[in-house]
Amino acid sequence: IAGITQAPTSQILAAGRRMTLRCTQDMRHNAMYWYRQDLGLGLRLIHYSNTAGTTGKGEVPDGYSVSRANTDDFPLTLASAVPSQTSVYFCAISDTKGDQPQHFGDGTRLSIL
Amino acid sequence: GDSVTQMEGPVTLSEEAFLTINCTYTATGYPSLFWYVQYPGEGLQLLLKATKADDKGSNKGFEATYRKETTSFHLEKGSVQVSDSAVYFCALSGSSNTGKLIFGQGTTLQVKP
Repeated sequence: IAGITQAPTSQILAAGRRMTLRCTQDMRHNAMYWYRQDLGLGLRLIHYSNTAGTTGKGEVPDGYSVSRANTDDFPLTLASAVPSQTSVYFCAISDTKGDQPQHFGDGTRLSIL
Repeated sequence: GDSVTQMEGPVTLSEEAFLTINCTYTATGYPSLFWYVQYPGEGLQLLLKATKADDKGSNKGFEATYRKETTSFHLEKGSVQVSDSAVYFCALSGSSNTGKLIFGQGTTLQVKP
């Protein structure tokens, strides 16, 4: 999706290692989100940020942290990766109005061994 | 809390068949409703949306009507194509009006020639 860049595209990581997934947007949207997608569970919200300088916890925040130093970047950090964090991670952005859709990045496929 | 329930998949149809994917929701207030589509190896794309009761969203031959009396937003298409094979997600905007979305678990559609 134009305007949202996620990196890396995929990664294999040893358990216990630290990992940061990057998300950058150039659409100047206020809100940014991190989801994980797991088979049979759909998308679950990890953390979100309604505007630069603020963050909030989603449905499954444990083991993850985020920061929002500016409008464009919203990195997701796994401080000490565990196998249960193997998933596909999607970053999304939106206007903060409730009727506005979210726009998604192409995802990061993360495997924790 | 707010929630979305989709019909179990996978759904397998022959080309040109009629498609219905059921979606029901539970929410306080008046959420906006969305259908997203995810093609293999890609992120989610907005397919259509409806922001108030009796609204009909439509796009690419797909339609869904916001039915408040039955709390439903079923996705329909009159004649599916092989290229429609994908995972379809129903979602609603959270009652907090922050732009956060709550997703159903997704329904896989496979269309055979």
